[in-house]
Amino acid sequence: AQKITQTQPGMFVQEKEAVTLDCTYDTSDPSYGLFWYKQPSSGEMIFLIYQGSYDQQNATEGRYSLNFQKARKSANLVISASQLGDSAMYFCAMREGAGGYNKLIFGAGTRLAVHP
Amino acid sequence: DTEVTQTPKHLVMGMTNKKSLKCEQHMGHRAMYWYKQKAKKPPELMFVYSYEKLSINESVPSRFSPECPNSSLLNLHLHALQPEDSALYLCASSPSGGPLGELFFGEGSRLTVL
Repeated sequence: AQKITQTQPGMFVQEKEAVTLDCTYDTSDPSYGLFWYKQPSSGEMIFLIYQGSYDQQNATEGRYSLNFQKARKSANLVISASQLGDSAMYFCAMREGAGGYNKLIFGAGTRLAVHP
Repeated sequence: DTEVTQTPKHLVMGMTNKKSLKCEQHMGHRAMYWYKQKAKKPPELMFVYSYEKLSINESVPSRFSPECPNSSLLNLHLHALQPEDSALYLCASSPSGGPLGELFFGEGSRLTVL
């Protein structure tokens, strides 16, 4: 069975600094996808970034980058130049299955607080 | 603004009530999902519809009944719920499975069962 682990319940960062949120995964499937979502207090899950298991380069989306270390089975999210609006819950997720849908399994999440 | 719209945003119901949660998307996505999220926990998958057919039911109790009337709409019918069913119910859609195909989530319906 697939498994996603986020070991940091909470993280603090100073505004304008970079922060890394950890995510490790376990799967025996050679084809998989890893996602990061942000959930503000409003409840909506906001897609941030995606990394496919066969992607040769680390994914980047604006201030978000994914540090993908396949051998270590880790997919850490790096947020550069943190902003106050980055304060939220962050979930790492893995895609399971194939076909006409994506079944996402989520990690426990990391609550990020950005301080001025 | 999210492109997945959920109504109502808040719902309070008694254990004998029948209510429904509604979800709508107009992005042409063919997969739709219901997730349940308890406070301070990650979302947990309940149901997946693919091309309007139920593809996954994660052993959800029968007091939750999903319905997909067409490719844009997804309902969750609620009947005889328990207080422990109080949670945020998130609807999501995706273009399909496979690479990328990220899920687009609505803002959720926050349910309280008295």
